[in-house]
Amino acid sequence: QSVLTQPPSASGTPGQRVTISCSGSNSNIGSSTVNWYQHLPGTAPKLLIYSNTQRPSGVPDRFSGSKSGTSASLAISGLQSEDEADYYCAAWDGSLNGLIFGGGTKLTVL
Amino acid sequence: EVQLLESGGGLVQRGGSLRLSCAASGFTFSSDAMTWVRQAPGKGLEWVSMIIGSGGATYYAHSVKGRFTISRDNSKNTLYLQMNSLRSEDTAVYYCAKAASGWYPDYWGQGILVTVSS
Repeated sequence: QSVLTQPPSASGTPGQRVTISCSGSNSNIGSSTVNWYQHLPGTAPKLLIYSNTQRPSGVPDRFSGSKSGTSASLAISGLQSEDEADYYCAAWDGSLNGLIFGGGTKLTVL
Repeated sequence: EVQLLESGGGLVQRGGSLRLSCAASGFTFSSDAMTWVRQAPGKGLEWVSMIIGSGGATYYAHSVKGRFTISRDNSKNTLYLQMNSLRSEDTAVYYCAKAASGWYPDYWGQGILVTVSS
């Protein structure tokens, strides 16, 4: 069971907007920044969002992140078939003194 | 272009040892923290360990503390993970990743499979 809680699955049709939540506590999300990763099986995970809301160069602006208190969200607008992947949130946990990942959310594009 | 290439994985018996290596290029290796992250079959990502740029501080997940040792050779631009007393639950794809200033992974290698047999 992960310290950061994500829904195991999410889905949407092409063009729709989908959000994925990530719930933590004061020792992680509440006192640290949140990062989001996209992972397709057999490939290297890709950084999508860092420092809660920032997009690395090359990541489309269809992807956006937000944080409030001990929770964070990833939003994907204009859903495309290529967005079908696993998505993970991550944050540093001061109590565990290490980085923690959410359990992952499998996004299906219907 | 940042490139990270893991090596040293394979099949090992329970209780055995293995050393993973990660050859880095495309950035100033000694300036950046480096991490290992793993993914067990059918499971999510799990952070394993981190070492700062100088090598002067290391951090471990509770699940591997006392059994795994992270190290680096800045003269060779190479990161290592020495894994001892391996257990079946250590079976996973191990990813080497460069850490950004906030200590989160920003660039990842392709990963290497470690299988611990009983």
